[in-house]
Amino acid sequence: GEDVEQSLFLSVREGDSSVINCTYTDSSSTYLYWYKQEPGAGLQLLTYIFSNMDMKQDQRLTVLLNKKDKHLSLRIADTQTGDSAIYFCAVQSGNFNKFYFGSGTKLNVKP
Amino acid sequence: EPEVTQTPSHQVTQMGQEVILRCVPISNHLYFYWYRQILGQKVEFLVSFYNNEISEKSEIFDDQFSVERPDGSNFTLKIRSTKLEDSAMYFCASSEGGNEQFFGPGTRLTVL
Repeated sequence: GEDVEQSLFLSVREGDSSVINCTYTDSSSTYLYWYKQEPGAGLQLLTYIFSNMDMKQDQRLTVLLNKKDKHLSLRIADTQTGDSAIYFCAVQSGNFNKFYFGSGTKLNVKP
Repeated sequence: EPEVTQTPSHQVTQMGQEVILRCVPISNHLYFYWYRQILGQKVEFLVSFYNNEISEKSEIFDDQFSVERPDGSNFTLKIRSTKLEDSAMYFCASSEGGNEQFFGPGTRLTVL
């Protein structure tokens, strides 16, 4: 099956940009997602990108996809303390029914 | 805004007991899913359900697990005889067309 990897921790100062990285193995992946999980809460969909796109921007969020290297990143501009959470990369396989999640990157935003 | 709901938020059970976790997906969605997240680990796919039958399941989803859509609104996950290693957060998700999945807040299952 698909293997999705993320670094476990990222610490930034308020106002800086955060970049969270993700790598995956299945080149037939169709949709790629970023979810946010706050303590004790469920998974909140932040944004997603279709595999034929290189970049998608949505307000403070920019998703970059390098399909050749199977690398996905999420950039958060002007990071705020409210952005502190765990961010999960998820990859949808060619089969639409199954998502594969990374282990999550814990973002800590220092004031 | 419509959302996926799950009950209970926390379930404590004794090893060997049966548990049923309940989910109410978003009303016009057709695809339903269960995932679990053992503390500190990845979110893992368990099963997907479409048109009143399982469309895909993972190796984790063995004979101890079953899913059901008993009526037009609920989607349940049953674990027949719980084991200590079943302790996890269980997330239900639903989607309209099979791609963008909306997740519920999760049920924390603790097996003692």
